[in-house]
Amino acid sequence: GQNIDQPTEMTATEGAIVQINCTYQTSGFNGLFWYQQHAGEAPTFLSYNVLDGLEEKGRFSSFLSRSKGYSYLLLKELQMKDSASYLCAVDTGGFKTIFGAGTRLFVKA
Amino acid sequence: DAGVIQSPRHEVTEMGQEVTLRCKPISGHNSLFWYRQTMMRGLELLIYFNNNVPIDDSGMPEDRFSAKMPNASFSTLKIQPSEPRDSAVYFCASTTPAGGIAKNIQYFGAGTRLSVL
Repeated sequence: GQNIDQPTEMTATEGAIVQINCTYQTSGFNGLFWYQQHAGEAPTFLSYNVLDGLEEKGRFSSFLSRSKGYSYLLLKELQMKDSASYLCAVDTGGFKTIFGAGTRLFVKA
Repeated sequence: DAGVIQSPRHEVTEMGQEVTLRCKPISGHNSLFWYRQTMMRGLELLIYFNNNVPIDDSGMPEDRFSAKMPNASFSTLKIQPSEPRDSAVYFCASTTPAGGIAKNIQYFGAGTRLSVL
């Protein structure tokens, strides 16, 4: 079957660092996405990991371990505008992407 | 580019009525996806098209749901008859035929918030 697990909610303080974890078990794997979705808006692309390791992009970094079926999204220097849902998604190949339920991040002052 | 365009943004209808949601993908994109998002079930893939041809409709919940893509710039998702449990946000997304990582990135429309009373 297809299973993607991530925490439902997290709270962090402005200026801090937060790590959002994701574990997955899927029948196919080409790569792993992270999308950001603000309340009432569409998901927007953040990152795509194909190989093991850490990919850094400004304040956001994403890590992948294919052997462990594990990824995390690291957000540094948190800002209030980072309050959103973060969706972990697996590219299973053949056009198909499976999304996790998302982690709602609340950033407090 | 205008991005993926969906209409209407909001739809309120009564149980039993027919609902038609519309999507215009980004020009030049050749794959189109319909998703449904609810608090309980998250983002679920309903159906996707490649070059206007339906590839996988296994996510369509039942026969009341149908989708078409008559040309590269337009797709519809129809629910007939609608039921209260169909209430959700419906997203359309498209991807480019370009090679490499770019072809896997989905660009989402703003969504249609459907309420069936």
